[in-house]
Amino acid sequence: EDQVTQSPEALRLQEGESSSLNCSYTVSGLRGLFWYRQDPGKGPEFLFTLYSAGEEKEKERLKATLTKKESFLHITAPKPEDSATYLCAVNSGNTPLVFGKGTRLSVIA
Amino acid sequence: DTGVSQNPRHKITKRGQNVTFRCDPISEHNRLYWYRQTLGQGPEFLTYFQNEAQLEKSRLLSDRFSAERPKGSFSTLEIQRTEQGDSAMYLCASSPPGQGVKPQHFGDGTRLSIL
Repeated sequence: EDQVTQSPEALRLQEGESSSLNCSYTVSGLRGLFWYRQDPGKGPEFLFTLYSAGEEKEKERLKATLTKKESFLHITAPKPEDSATYLCAVNSGNTPLVFGKGTRLSVIA
Repeated sequence: DTGVSQNPRHKITKRGQNVTFRCDPISEHNRLYWYRQTLGQGPEFLTYFQNEAQLEKSRLLSDRFSAERPKGSFSTLEIQRTEQGDSAMYLCASSPPGQGVKPQHFGDGTRLSIL
């Protein structure tokens, strides 16, 4: 059974304080790993897809990386508007995504 | 690209009543998914359509839940005889056709509260 574990559960940063979010996964055969951002009362917003170990994707202050066992979402010089819950999900060839519980990020000005 | 649209945004009902939610996917997306999300958890898969065919259902989906996608366009999710444990956010997502794994794009959900 596919499993995704995200850490930490919650993270509080000062504006400009860079950090990383972790997503550890166990799957029978990874076909894609996805990062989403979710604001309160909204649906998940797609950020990145990573397909193979060693792959990296960047968007503004966010950079996602992938190894054979985990993915990291690096946040460089975060701003208050980066505050949200960040969700990681995997697809192993079965159609549905399997999500982790997310990391709640708060960036304080 | 108008995004995935879900209606209603909020639904409050009494235990035992039936409810129905609607999802309009992004146009030209042939795949449609329903998920359920409770507080502090990630979304959990419920069911999946490719065009009008329902191809997969989760073991979480009891007999009280039914989903349809007539003509492969919008989809409805009905819950019969609602229970307290059905209170959650119901999310719909869609993805485009083509080879390989495509990202799923989510709507803003329908929040269901059971009194």
